[in-house]
Amino acid sequence: SAVISQKPSRDICQRGTSLTIQCQVDSQVTMMFWYRQQPGQSLTLIATANQGSEATYESGFVIDKFPISRPNLTFSTLTVSNMSPEDSSIYLCSDDYTDTQYFGPGTRLTVL
Amino acid sequence: GNSVTQMEGPVTLSEEAFLTINCTYTATGYPSLFWYVQYPGEGLQLLLKATKADDKGSNKGFEATYRKETTSFHLEKGSVQVSDSAVYFCALSRGGSGNTGKLIFGQGTTLQVKP
Repeated sequence: SAVISQKPSRDICQRGTSLTIQCQVDSQVTMMFWYRQQPGQSLTLIATANQGSEATYESGFVIDKFPISRPNLTFSTLTVSNMSPEDSSIYLCSDDYTDTQYFGPGTRLTVL
Repeated sequence: GNSVTQMEGPVTLSEEAFLTINCTYTATGYPSLFWYVQYPGEGLQLLLKATKADDKGSNKGFEATYRKETTSFHLEKGSVQVSDSAVYFCALSRGGSGNTGKLIFGQGTTLQVKP
């Protein structure tokens, strides 16, 4: 599997601020994904991070709120913009490696 | 559309008991099916997968068989341990061309194993 690391592992932020989460993979992968897991809930796909082009967002998620970068085949960032308490969640990135998705450890975000 | 339904939890078992967590899916064609596990305070780990009908995925004593006729992928383990306490997610994907594409998750089932 391709090993994934995320930074930061957790953060506590004030409403109205923004946080950028980094995702690093130890191998080149074609596809990377960003998911959100709200407290006590399942995972929901935010967007697919495409290398060299804009991310593809799922219904209910927009680029202004969740801008994503994918500068190369091993790295991606997700920014949570203008945060509110409703953005308190675990944010996970994943990669697609040999027909299986592997997940990073997640970033636990609390917005006050 | 595509969807995954898991049995509601929490499931509470005594150590060495038999475990079944039900998972059924709705999808057109032939999705790949996965079980992921999330231990307290951690991210998701792949537990097992199956990519075609009648495939059996297995890992760490857990098993699940891809049943197309019943659209199911139930997770089983013959003897659970306290260390198996976690949240278990069933998921499907409809990707192609060598990638999984979007994963659709069930709601998760919490398993608590007591000594």
